[in-house]
Amino acid sequence: DIQMTQSPSTLSASVGDRVTITCRASQSISSWLAWYQQKPGKAPELLISKASSLESGVPSRFSGSGSGTEFTLTINSLQPDDFATYYCQQYNSYPRTFGQGTKVEIK
Amino acid sequence: QVQLQESGPGLVKPSETLSLTCTVSGNSISSNYWSWIRQPPGKGLEWIGYIHYSGSTNYNPSLKSRVTTSVDTSKNQFSLKLSSVTAADTAVYYCATGYGYFHQWGQGTLVTVSS
Repeated sequence: DIQMTQSPSTLSASVGDRVTITCRASQSISSWLAWYQQKPGKAPELLISKASSLESGVPSRFSGSGSGTEFTLTINSLQPDDFATYYCQQYNSYPRTFGQGTKVEIK
Repeated sequence: QVQLQESGPGLVKPSETLSLTCTVSGNSISSNYWSWIRQPPGKGLEWIGYIHYSGSTNYNPSLKSRVTTSVDTSKNQFSLKLSSVTAADTAVYYCATGYGYFHQWGQGTLVTVSS
């Protein structure tokens, strides 16, 4: 299985901050990476696919980059609605695997 | 816009079989691949597997020996069965569209394994 490791596990930030979350794969996954946002008690929501392709309706302050084994999710100008847990997920091979999550907290 | 809704018992006894159904609306079940994903309380996400209406499946090897999925095109539903459950199978179970990344998700249903 491909292991996905996110850092940090928890991130404290303020409204307006620029936030970066890193996701590393245990082997190359090309650009087959998705990012999700999950709020408490809710299902995850797809933000980005193919490492950098923003889903329709997702605010442009979210962006993704990377390829191979290292990827980043950046949130420019953090908004109150963005405090949530973020997961990366690889779909290069089976089984599909997720990172352990990064919780973005209010500072 | 496709919508998904999980249903099934919220409590299952150890060693028994967990059974869940996902009802799809807004799209034909014949138009996509359909996945199951679970999340133990306070923990991360685990992909269980996918099914295509044709019957094609792919399961997580960690669960493969205990998982069965099926599709009912007449009801626009797909189902999950997980046998010989233990407390470690307690989780919120989600159904979702896709087999690569997961575009649409159901709201999730908590299944607790306890006697």
